[in-house]
Amino acid sequence: QVQLQESGPGLVKPSEALSLTCAVSGYSINNGYYWGWIRQPPGKGLEWIGSMYHSGSTHYNPSLKSRVTISVDTSKNHFSLKLSSVTAADTAMYYCAAHYYGSSFDYWGQGTLVTVSS
Amino acid sequence: EIVMTQSPVTLSVSPGERATLSCRASQSVSSHLAWYQQKPGQAPRLLIYDASTGATGIPARFSGSGSGTEFTLTISSLQSEDFAVYYCQQYSNWPYTFGQGTKLEIK
Repeated sequence: QVQLQESGPGLVKPSEALSLTCAVSGYSINNGYYWGWIRQPPGKGLEWIGSMYHSGSTHYNPSLKSRVTISVDTSKNHFSLKLSSVTAADTAMYYCAAHYYGSSFDYWGQGTLVTVSS
Repeated sequence: EIVMTQSPVTLSVSPGERATLSCRASQSVSSHLAWYQQKPGQAPRLLIYDASTGATGIPARFSGSGSGTEFTLTISSLQSEDFAVYYCQQYSNWPYTFGQGTKLEIK
């Protein structure tokens, strides 16, 4: 059973970078899943941010691509999200998730709320 | 980018009745479509993948159908725990995209 747990600062200042980590347990990050991030602004719908395979293959949402980096640390069995130059519009619940290539998000973390405010 | 449109935005149904939720894609996604349920304060939960396959542990009252651009999620006999927001999502093309959600509320 794959378990995912997000962690990171709950408050980020405008123009700074948002950094989150997702710890994977019950499964090796080197196995077949892609590791992704999805966000949800308060009271709104879901937006896929991007996904990465342990080999380094990455896919990003074009709307965020210029500001997003997803990385995988196989030694720690976790993966990370960095979103640069944040604004209030980046305030959201951020979820990490696992999916096979060309498939649904099978497993989700519980989410972590990030607020962008000075 | 493939745009996913769900209807209705809000659906009011009585417990024990059938609920039918719709999802339309702006171009064909074949059967590469999933449905998720989200309750307040919780992460989304996978219900249906590949348009019609139930995820592990999902009750049989949840069923999905459709292919191409038109999809349906049916809940055959609503239980109290089924009142939530439902999202469809396509994984045919990058970027993966979600519908805006349908809120299923108690009538």
